[in-house]
Amino acid sequence: QVQLQESGPGLVKPSETLSLTCTVSGGSISSYYWSWIRQPAGKGLEWIGRIYTSGSTNYNPSLKSRVTMSVDTSKNQFSLKLSSVTAADTAVYYCARGLSSGSYQDYWGQGTLVTVSS
Amino acid sequence: SYVLTQPPSVSVAPGKTARITCGGNNIGSKSVHWYQQKPGQAPVLVIYYDSDRPSGIPERFSGSNSGNTATLTISRVEAGDEADYYCQVWDSSSDSWVFGGGTKLTVL
Repeated sequence: QVQLQESGPGLVKPSETLSLTCTVSGGSISSYYWSWIRQPAGKGLEWIGRIYTSGSTNYNPSLKSRVTMSVDTSKNQFSLKLSSVTAADTAVYYCARGLSSGSYQDYWGQGTLVTVSS
Repeated sequence: SYVLTQPPSVSVAPGKTARITCGGNNIGSKSVHWYQQKPGQAPVLVIYYDSDRPSGIPERFSGSNSGNTATLTISRVEAGDEADYYCQVWDSSSDSWVFGGGTKLTVL
């Protein structure tokens, strides 16, 4: 059974960079699309971006200037960096797996809360 | 960018049928996926590619997609179906996933 686990600081200061890692277990990270999705408290889901195991990326146009994603196949991990954060970036961040380019996300992590505050 | 519009809330009595809509410009030409999210939990896929159902999802869940509206239908609604539901499509013009705003299903 594939499992995804987000990890990273739960508190980030304004203007700094949010960094999260998703570790994939129970299966290979190769040949899948790996997404980051976030959800502010009481609000809907927002797709941040995705990375294929080759390293190619697609980002949400509204966040593109601040987002960087990377993948480490040797560790079965992929990562998110979101720069210049503000309180509006406070949310639960999920990582998720997509089978192919236009495919749904079939496995999700449990989510991790990141709070932006001084 | 592409916009998906969902009603904020839908209420239904137990045993009745709930229909949750997802509106978008010519959405019928896209593949729509639906997720169920209960409080404090990650979303769970309930319908993919408009009308397919993952293993483990009850047959009471079904989907359709035509014209400018996709619909998630839940038959014989149970108390356990109470959750937020999100539709999702891939927007090829911006190469990005788009989610609807979500619909809170309340079982009366």
